[in-house]
Amino acid sequence: AQSVAQPEDQVNVAEGNPLTVKCTYSVSGNPYLFWYVQYPNRGLQFLLKYITGDNLVKGSYGFEAEFNKSQTSFHLKKPSALVSDSALYFCAVRTRNSGNTPLVFGKGTRLSVIA
Amino acid sequence: ETGVTQTPRHLVMGMTNKKSLKCEQHLGHNAMYWYKQSAKKPLELMFVYSLEERVENNSVPSRFSPECPNSSHLFLHLHTLQPEDSALYLCASSPGRDTYNEQFFGPGTRLTVL
Repeated sequence: AQSVAQPEDQVNVAEGNPLTVKCTYSVSGNPYLFWYVQYPNRGLQFLLKYITGDNLVKGSYGFEAEFNKSQTSFHLKKPSALVSDSALYFCAVRTRNSGNTPLVFGKGTRLSVIA
Repeated sequence: ETGVTQTPRHLVMGMTNKKSLKCEQHLGHNAMYWYKQSAKKPLELMFVYSLEERVENNSVPSRFSPECPNSSHLFLHLHTLQPEDSALYLCASSPGRDTYNEQFFGPGTRLTVL
């Protein structure tokens, strides 16, 4: 079975400071990992994904995430937070070569960047 | 915008009403999805269509009935819903059902069942 844990419901960061949104996963094989962001009254928007290769993945709006197989983590990071980054962030996982296995989402972490 | 549109954006209905949600994608994708998003819960996958054929139905009550007339359009027909069905219903599409494909989401329909 696949599962995703986002241990923090809420993360508060001051503008200009680095931010981290945590994600750990559990799959029976090798994972594909995704981050999505949801702004108010909008659908989910794709940020980045890890498929294979370099463990550090760079995505939209200056975000990046590091795949750590030993810790089964895929934390989202940004060196300098902006107020406009305030949103709901979802981590998702799918087992590689899983056929019909669906994409499994975490519960989401609300990020608040304070000016 | 992601190229996935949903109408209506907001819907209020009584438990005896019949209504439909519409999703349209302009991305040339072959797979389309319905999700339910409730507060403080993970997204729940409801239905998956691939090349207009329903390939997944995750134990969704029969009061929700999907329809995919072509690869660009997806409907969710609603009938005799319950108040606990109130949620944000999201449509998504992807190029195919390959596991490495990201999904593109519409803005959602906020449904309130009275």
